Parts: sequence; C-alpha cells; structure tokens
Amino acid sequence: AQTVTQSQPEMSVQEAETVTLSCTYDTSENNYYLFWYKQPPSRQMILVIRQEAYKQQNATENRFSVNFQKAAKSFSLKISDSQLGDTAMYFCAFMTYNTDKLIFGTGTRLQVFP
Amino acid sequence: GAVVSQHPSWVICKSGTSVKIECRSLDFQATTMFWYRQFPKQSLMLMATSNEGSKATYEQGVEKDKFLINHASLTLSTLTVTSAHPEDSSFYICRFEGTEAFFGQGTRLTVV
Repeated sequence: AQTVTQSQPEMSVQEAETVTLSCTYDTSENNYYLFWYKQPPSRQMILVIRQEAYKQQNATENRFSVNFQKAAKSFSLKISDSQLGDTAMYFCAFMTYNTDKLIFGTGTRLQVFP
Repeated sequence: GAVVSQHPSWVICKSGTSVKIECRSLDFQATTMFWYRQFPKQSLMLMATSNEGSKATYEQGVEKDKFLINHASLTLSTLTVTSAHPEDSSFYICRFEGTEAFFGQGTRLTVV
C-alpha cells in the first residue's frame, strides 16, 4: 500500500520569503503522479503543482516549484516570494497510473505573516 | 476549467435520519468518482470509489450500508449517509477521476 508522510504539521514564513514543505512517500510502483494541493479556509481543494514520476525535470508553476527525488521518494514544495494568500493547509498526494486514487498526506498548515 | 458542483454545502440533521449529498460535473463526463471524508484539522481520507453503472468499492473500515453511493450517470454521483449519528459529522468531498483538481466544494455535515 502507498503511504504519504508530511512531517511538518505547521510552518510559518514571513511575506516575500521562501519556504519549503516536506513530503515523503512509499510505493513499489514505478509509474505514478505526485501532487501538492492547497486547501484554504474555504476548504476548496486547489491543485498547486503536479509531477509525473517518469519526468526527471522538476515541475514549476510560477512561484511554486518542487524538488523531486525519486530514489529517495521525496517530493518537497518550495514557495518563493510568499504571499499572505498562500496561508492555507497544504497536502502532498500520490496517485498511481492505473487506479486514479489520490492518497493524501496528513497536511502542513502554512501561515504567512506580514 | 472543468466545474464540479457539490451540494448542499452544509447540512444539519437529527440523529437517525438520512442525508443525501450530490456531486455533479457541469461540463465533462467521468466513469469514476471518489468520495472523501475530512475530520477537523485532519487529512482527506478516501471512503469509496464509485463507477458509473456498477457497485461502489469501499475502503477498509467504511460501512457500505451506512454510506450508500449511487453513480447513476456520467455526470452525477450521490452519497447518502443513512441513520446518521453524531460521529458521522464531518466534511465530505467528492472528486472526479483525472489528474486535474476535479473536486467538489465539500459538504459540512453536522448530526445533532
């Protein structure tokens, strides 16, 4: 069974600074996707960034980038130039190609301070 | 982008009654849907996978007779919480298949 671990229950960062959220996972699969989702107070799930395991290049989306280390099964999220609107819960998630099931980590609560 | 409509957004019901939650895709079709439950300050836990036209598959520990799932069409899935009890109070979220974020807005259920 796949598992996703987020070891940081809470993080804080000052506006305009950079913060990195950690995620590790465990799987015996070779083909899968990894995701970071944001859940603001509205609780709507918002896709932040997606990485396909076969791609060696780290995904980037504007201020958001990942450090994907497949051998280490690590998938961290870096948020640059943090903004107040980045305050939210962040979930790391895993999906195999053949099941489409999303398995979530326990989440990291990020607070951005002015 | 694709839109998923889930309603009601919140509901309060009396213990012992049943509540139906609807999840509808507005501009796409999907054969597979997922239902999640999220307790306060916790992660999303997969409850079941529903496939259009067939019986849902439930995760270990989820009572299939309590959480009835109907996926009657490619655009609509429903979750019915039967004989609800206070411990069923939670946030329920639907998700359509795919690698995009096809999530519903969630339903906050409070059983009193």
